[in-house]
Amino acid sequence: DSGVTQTPKHLITATGQRVTLRCSPRSGDLSVYWYQQSLDQGLQFLIQYYNGEERAKGNILERFSAQQFPDLHSELNLSSLELGDSALYFCASSSSGAPLLPEAFFGQGTRLTVV
Amino acid sequence: AQKITQTQPGMFVQEKEAVTLDCTYDTSDPSYGLFWYKQPSSGEMIFLIYQGSYDQQNATEGRYSLNFQKARKSANLVISASQLGDSAMYFCAMKDTGNQFYFGTGTSLTVIP
Repeated sequence: DSGVTQTPKHLITATGQRVTLRCSPRSGDLSVYWYQQSLDQGLQFLIQYYNGEERAKGNILERFSAQQFPDLHSELNLSSLELGDSALYFCASSSSGAPLLPEAFFGQGTRLTVV
Repeated sequence: AQKITQTQPGMFVQEKEAVTLDCTYDTSDPSYGLFWYKQPSSGEMIFLIYQGSYDQQNATEGRYSLNFQKARKSANLVISASQLGDSAMYFCAMKDTGNQFYFGTGTSLTVIP
């Protein structure tokens, strides 16, 4: 158990809908990272928050947004969903926002299926 | 340009043997970190080992070691004494001072009894 909690584990929704994925980082970790893992794109970094502020941005679509709350949990909002958004979405946390901090611990992921 | 390249889509190894999973990376940043993660069939990503670009010695964590060859920009993972539970996908990743993680496409390792 990595200590990172993601909910829900599975989500099935229709095209055009909006969903929110939730992540609770390990106790004491200030950084949260979001990733998308799909069959055709592999594992893609989406965005990082550190202590409530956006720290780094990767291949995140404009239809997607994220935020980190004062209690350090984070939410990833996906809107106007398309079939191609079906993927496994991971959250990871680490104790620092420093770029070269070693490991980030991953949650078990949320499997999103868009039908 | 691909930042992380894993050229072995699938690998097989006999139980108790050692196996090397290849990873090459591309960055012009002098400071970077290299990581290996394991993803079993259950789906979670498990951190295995980390190597900093300025680290003088190769990283080791139990049965895992990272063969870091900076001039060749390679960061191969060596798993010694393979176990059946090592069967999984293995991802090489890099983080540079831009603070983004870049992942390779992964290598599927199967340990044969």
